Amino acid sequence: AQSVTQLDSQVPVFEEAPVELRCNYSSSVSVYLFWYVQYPNQGLQLLLKYLSGSTLVKGINGFEAEFNKSQTSFHLRKPSVHISDTAEYFCAVSGVNTGGFKTIFGAGTRLFVKA
Amino acid sequence: NAGVTQTPKFQVLKTGQSMTLQCAQDMNHEYMSWYRQDPGMGLRLIHYSVGAGITDQGEVPNGYNVSRSTTEDFPLRLLSAAPSQTSVYFCASSYSSQGYGTEAFFGQGTRLTVV
Repeated sequence: AQSVTQLDSQVPVFEEAPVELRCNYSSSVSVYLFWYVQYPNQGLQLLLKYLSGSTLVKGINGFEAEFNKSQTSFHLRKPSVHISDTAEYFCAVSGVNTGGFKTIFGAGTRLFVKA
Repeated sequence: NAGVTQTPKFQVLKTGQSMTLQCAQDMNHEYMSWYRQDPGMGLRLIHYSVGAGITDQGEVPNGYNVSRSTTEDFPLRLLSAAPSQTSVYFCASSYSSQGYGTEAFFGQGTRLTVV
């Protein structure tokens, strides 16, 4: 069965510094990959997705992620973070090994941006 | 366009009580799912549906029932509430592409406390 591992539970970073949130998944066989963001007391919203094509995916709010099939990773990056980026970020996958429709989520990474 | 609507937003139940969490989407999505979110555990799939009349269990189905009589609605029933069901519940819907679930659209969540 497919699994998703977010390697850091919390990432503190200073404002305007770059950040990388790491995500690994268990199998590259026919996967769709996603990053979602959750602001306090809200639902999740999509940051970006990889379905096919270019392995570098750009999303909203200046975030981007790279699909690396050989390393089964989909790390999220932003070159310069803002206080408003403080939130919880979830990596997720759907595909052959999740039964197709099902989306499996990682445990989340809490990004805390300090002034 | 309302997207995914969940009700209620907050609920307190006594142990042993039953209740139904409502979820409706107006995007004509085939796939709907229920997740629970607990600290440090990400989102865990409770039940999902790939279309009207078709439901299946996710990772943590015990104590919950679902039905899907229409494309739009996917209620989640707690049969006999237990303190372990204290959580935040999210309903999500998505469309499929080549048989795989694509981006999920989430409701705002229901914060449930069982005392």
